[in-house]
Amino acid sequence: GQNIDQPTEMTATEGAIVQINCTYQTSGFNGLFWYQQHAGEAPTFLSYNVLDGLEEKGRFSSFLSRSKGYSYLLLKELQMKDSASYLCAVKNNAGKSTFGDGTTLTVKP
Amino acid sequence: EAQVTQNPRYLITVTGKKLTVTCSQNMNHEYMSWYRQDPGLGLRQIYYSMNVEVTDKGDVPEGYKVSRKEKRNFPLILESPSPNQTSLYFCASSLDSNSPLHFGNGTRLTVT
Repeated sequence: GQNIDQPTEMTATEGAIVQINCTYQTSGFNGLFWYQQHAGEAPTFLSYNVLDGLEEKGRFSSFLSRSKGYSYLLLKELQMKDSASYLCAVKNNAGKSTFGDGTTLTVKP
Repeated sequence: EAQVTQNPRYLITVTGKKLTVTCSQNMNHEYMSWYRQDPGLGLRQIYYSMNVEVTDKGDVPEGYKVSRKEKRNFPLILESPSPNQTSLYFCASSLDSNSPLHFGNGTRLTVT
């Protein structure tokens, strides 16, 4: 099976940097995705890692270490609109995807 | 506009009355999937389909059925709904199993 852990809640200040961690256990790892979900809305794709290392996309970066079963999402220059839930999801090579419970980020002025 | 469309957005029904939630995508995606989202439990995969006529169970398939007769459609069927199936349901699709998911707007189902 697949097991994913991420913190339930985080709070940060506008303009700051925040790192959301995700640890996972899976067989047949085939990629890790980060999604953003605002309250009452559908998740939207943020980033994808399949190889070790850092992927950067504007204010958002994601890192993966397959040997450690570890990923993080880094959000820079936080804005109020970044207040949302951030979901870590792992896919295996059979096409099955498992989501973590999500980290609710609150950005304060 | 490229999108995943699921209907209805809201549905209230009674125990045992069969229902279908439709899902359609216009992006020629091979991979489609259904999830339910409950407070404190995150998104859990119900069923997924890697291509036409191919479906597989996710983590919580009990009480649900799916079919993939055409590439664009992936309906979710509840033959005999029960109150524990009250949830927010999302359909999603992706180009293939390694690509990011595009989600529909969700269907909030209440079974009384």
